[in-house]
This record gives sequence, structure tokens and C-alpha cells, in this order.
Amino acid sequence: GENVEQHPSTLSVQEGDSAVIKCTYSDSASNYFPWYKQELGKRPQLIIDIRSNVGEKKDQRIAVTLNKTAKHFSLHITETQPEDSAVYFCAASSRGYSTLTFGKGTMLLVSP
Amino acid sequence: EPEVTQTPSHQVTQMGQEVILRCVPISNHLYFYWYRQILGQKVEFLVSFYNNEISEKSEIFDDQFSVERPDGSNFTLKIRSTKLEDSAMYFCASSGDSYNEQFFGPGTRLTVL
Repeated sequence: GENVEQHPSTLSVQEGDSAVIKCTYSDSASNYFPWYKQELGKRPQLIIDIRSNVGEKKDQRIAVTLNKTAKHFSLHITETQPEDSAVYFCAASSRGYSTLTFGKGTMLLVSP
Repeated sequence: EPEVTQTPSHQVTQMGQEVILRCVPISNHLYFYWYRQILGQKVEFLVSFYNNEISEKSEIFDDQFSVERPDGSNFTLKIRSTKLEDSAMYFCASSGDSYNEQFFGPGTRLTVL
């Protein structure tokens, strides 16, 4: 089955800096890659996603890049703010019913 | 904006007891999922459900687990005989399309004593 590796496990940045979180996947058939943000004690919420027919997608301060050949994808957050502090999970899906395989998560801490 | 809802928010049970976790997916969604998250760990897939049957399940979803859509709105996860290691946050999710975003519920924290 699919295996998703995520790095780093923790990331501390100063407010205004950029943050990059990287994930690799194993199943070359995977074609959907969402990123979820989970604040403490709350549900995972989708912040951005990308499909395998696209190399990059942006939404304001957040961007995701995908390298299908290398089987990795990354989340980029620019101009970080303290409210960006949370655990971020990447995931991959290859099946028709969109079963998501998650990475282990990255705890992002943005210091004022 | 419509949301997935789950009840109860917290369930405490004794080992060996049966529990039923309830979810109300977004009303026009067709695909339903259960995931679990052990404290401090990643979210793990349990089962997906479409057209009134299981479409996929993980190795975690053994004979102690079952799912049901008893009516047009609820989606339930039953654990027949709970074990200590079943203690986790259980998330329900739904999707309107097999290739679209999965919306997660707020979760049920299950504590098995």
C-alpha cells in the first residue's frame, strides 16, 4: 500500500519567515495530495490540495508543489503568522474512493 | 457552511464493552469514511463506505469493527469488544465525490479503561 513520509516533525520559525514542509510517497499511482491543518483538539481542515496533472498551486500565502518523477510534494507558507501554528499533515490518495494515507505530521510553531 | 457532526464528543468505556460512535455526514455527500488518531500520532484510515457497502478497509478494521448507515443521515462505527489500544480520537469524514475534498467531523475521543 501507499506510504507517506513527512519531514520535519517539528518546525520553529519567526513570524514573517517562510516555512517548508516536505512529503514523499511510495505509490506512483497516487494522484491526489491534500494538506490538512489541525489545531490542538480540533478536526483536520483542508488548506490546499493538488492533483497529479498540476505541478504547483497557490492560495494567498500557501503554495504546494508536486514532483511526480521524484514522488515528493511540499507545502510552502510565506509570511508566517502566529495563527499558522498548528500540526500540518500531508496525505496521498490513489484509489477511486480517495482513501487518504497521511504523513506523521509537522508541528509548526511561529513565534512573534 | 454545512459540517460533519459527530456524537458523543467523548466516550469512556470499560474494556470488553461495545461502543457505537455516530456521525452525520454532509447531507448531499455520498462517500463516508472513518479514521482514527491515537494521541500524538498520525491520522489512520479505517474504512470507506459507498452505496451502502464497505468499499475499502485497512488492517486495523478487523472483525471487532463494523459500520452501518441505518438511515438516510447517520453513519455509525461499532466496536464490539473494546480493547485498551482502541483508545483514540475517531474522525468521521464525508465527500461529495470520490476525487474531492474529504470534510472531517470534530471527532469522538474514545477512552477505554
